[in-house]
Amino acid sequence: SQQGEEDPQALSIQEGENATMNCSYKTSINNLQWYRQNSGRGLVHLILIRSNEREKHSGRLRVTLDTSKKSSSLLITASRAADTASYFCATDSSGGGADGLTFGKGTHLIIQP
Amino acid sequence: KAGVTQTPRYLIKTRGQQVTLSCSPISGHRSVSWYQQTPGQGLQFLFEYFSETQRNKGNFPGRFSGRQFSNSRSEMNVSTLELGDSALYLCASSRGRPASYGYTFGSGTRLTVV
Repeated sequence: SQQGEEDPQALSIQEGENATMNCSYKTSINNLQWYRQNSGRGLVHLILIRSNEREKHSGRLRVTLDTSKKSSSLLITASRAADTASYFCATDSSGGGADGLTFGKGTHLIIQP
Repeated sequence: KAGVTQTPRYLIKTRGQQVTLSCSPISGHRSVSWYQQTPGQGLQFLFEYFSETQRNKGNFPGRFSGRQFSNSRSEMNVSTLELGDSALYLCASSRGRPASYGYTFGSGTRLTVV
């Protein structure tokens, strides 16, 4: 079953703009991870934020986590055409990955050149 | 270093047949997890192996099984294939469990059941 939902389901922006994707989840978590997938290929790990962290940065990526609202956001700054992909949030539930990662449905991001 | 290797990349099988998919994790990674991805259900957890033992299993019928070898390579098997088993099957590895730094995924095996 899906842990939560990404919002929006699809997003189209111009190159150079910032892209923000949101993720909500339902149960308590150990950490939350974001992955990118290009055209039905494998997932690429982008960033992991632990339940006791509120914000994390990695290059052009900024992730926030609000455990009281059970939500997270992924911000991609200065977008590039190569950022076109589907983005998934995945939760690792408390208990040490007892149920593997639980993924949302994903946000399909299109960067217009 | 080499990434997670899944073979074969593509597979076409007939209903009722069985199939075996293979996954070689990153060297030193002892945890291997399998996921099924379909347009309708999205990404769903199948099972996880660590040190040759199945640690967890998702909500899939017994037709889905797997194993892990002493070198951490893993195989998953699907018996009595159904049309609904058509999917992208992804393998992911991590050094330990839980994966404190995230998982590394392979490129997947796309299975088509006809």
